[in-house]
Amino acid sequence: EPEVTQTPSHQVTQMGQEVILRCVPISNHLYFYWYRQILGQKVEFLVSFYNNEISEKSEIFDDQFSVERPDGSNFTLKIRSTKLEDSAMYFCANNLVLAGEKFFGPGTRLTVL
Amino acid sequence: DAKTTQPPSMDCAEGRAANLPCNHSTISGNEYVYWYRQIHSQGPQYIIHGLKNNETNEMASLIITEDRKSSTLILPHATLRDTAVYYCIVKGTSGSRLTFGEGTQLTVNP
Repeated sequence: EPEVTQTPSHQVTQMGQEVILRCVPISNHLYFYWYRQILGQKVEFLVSFYNNEISEKSEIFDDQFSVERPDGSNFTLKIRSTKLEDSAMYFCANNLVLAGEKFFGPGTRLTVL
Repeated sequence: DAKTTQPPSMDCAEGRAANLPCNHSTISGNEYVYWYRQIHSQGPQYIIHGLKNNETNEMASLIITEDRKSSTLILPHATLRDTAVYYCIVKGTSGSRLTFGEGTQLTVNP
């Protein structure tokens, strides 16, 4: 069964550093997402991406965040200057049709020191 | 998207059916009911979704009341591996985000 993969599984960084989280979605899927989950809290939507542009974003997704599909397969989330409060699990997701099931990756645990 | 209400926790004996309720009294006509689960900080996993008819797949059954104001997810023979947080999410066809609530922590006991 096809699955979403994410790298790295755990990233430790210093406050103020840039990080790039990577996702390989299921091939032929068209809609891509990033969610995050701060330890002990709810899963929160960050951004959705379709047809090479952001289609929806939450209030969390400010100017420090950006997404792209640099090579048409990988889907990345960049945090320009990390803050302590960015420490969380980051989940990539994708689906084939908008109303269909979303497939989530295993997540990247980001720890900002 | 309509708000949902779920009990914070439930227990179930292994091998028995787990029935997880969800209230969504403000659901509108074009909104679907989705169920996902999250096993201990893993990525959320899709279970099932439906509009107004009952649905069944290899994982579970979804029973939606006739007035669509509530639904029940049924795991027919719960196993220890079904211990997870279960999320009931109502979402329309427009817009892409899933809004996760607190969910129900289901604990399956041996």
